[in-house]
Amino acid sequence: QKEVEQNSGPLSVPEGAIASLNCTYSDRGSQSFFWYRQYSGKSPELIMSIYSNGDKEDGRFTAQLNKASQYVSLLIRDSQPSDSATYLCAGGYNTDKLIFGTGTRLQVFP
Amino acid sequence: EPEVTQTPSHQVTQMGQEVILRCVPISNHLYFYWYRQILGQKVEFLVSFYNNEISEKSEIFDDQFSVERPDGSNFTLKIRSTKLEDSAMYFCASSARNQPQHFGDGTRLSIL
Repeated sequence: QKEVEQNSGPLSVPEGAIASLNCTYSDRGSQSFFWYRQYSGKSPELIMSIYSNGDKEDGRFTAQLNKASQYVSLLIRDSQPSDSATYLCAGGYNTDKLIFGTGTRLQVFP
Repeated sequence: EPEVTQTPSHQVTQMGQEVILRCVPISNHLYFYWYRQILGQKVEFLVSFYNNEISEKSEIFDDQFSVERPDGSNFTLKIRSTKLEDSAMYFCASSARNQPQHFGDGTRLSIL
């Protein structure tokens, strides 16, 4: 059974701080990893994709992948109250299905 | 920016009735998906579709479910005889080859 695990949170950080979100996965065959943001009652919105070991940066977001440890993380720098949402980690196989974690709820307080 | 559109946004149906959820994927995408999310739970894969056939389906996608691409733009999910436990948000997604999936706003299905 392929699983993606996340701490459900909430993770509370002050405005301007770095938020660190983590995810582990069970299937070594997973090739692609994604972070989606989901506001309450809304659909998942793609934030980052990462396919190879190392870091990938996009604006305030940095995704990190360590395939040996089966670990994916998302760092959000200069966190804003508007970043408050649930962050979903997902693993996939090219254009195949995505396996989602339960999501980590992030709260950024002013 | 192109987006996946889903209709209706909310569907209320009596148990045992058929329901069709509609999606218009992003125009140059060739891979289509349906997911569902029961309230408070994780997003779950239902089915993937490529080249006019199902690529993969989950255990949830039983004989009561079907998908169709009736024309060049629409992608539909049909539930033949709805059950109470089918109540959920249903998300359509699409992708280009080897590209991330983009999700529509979802259809909230409520079974009474």
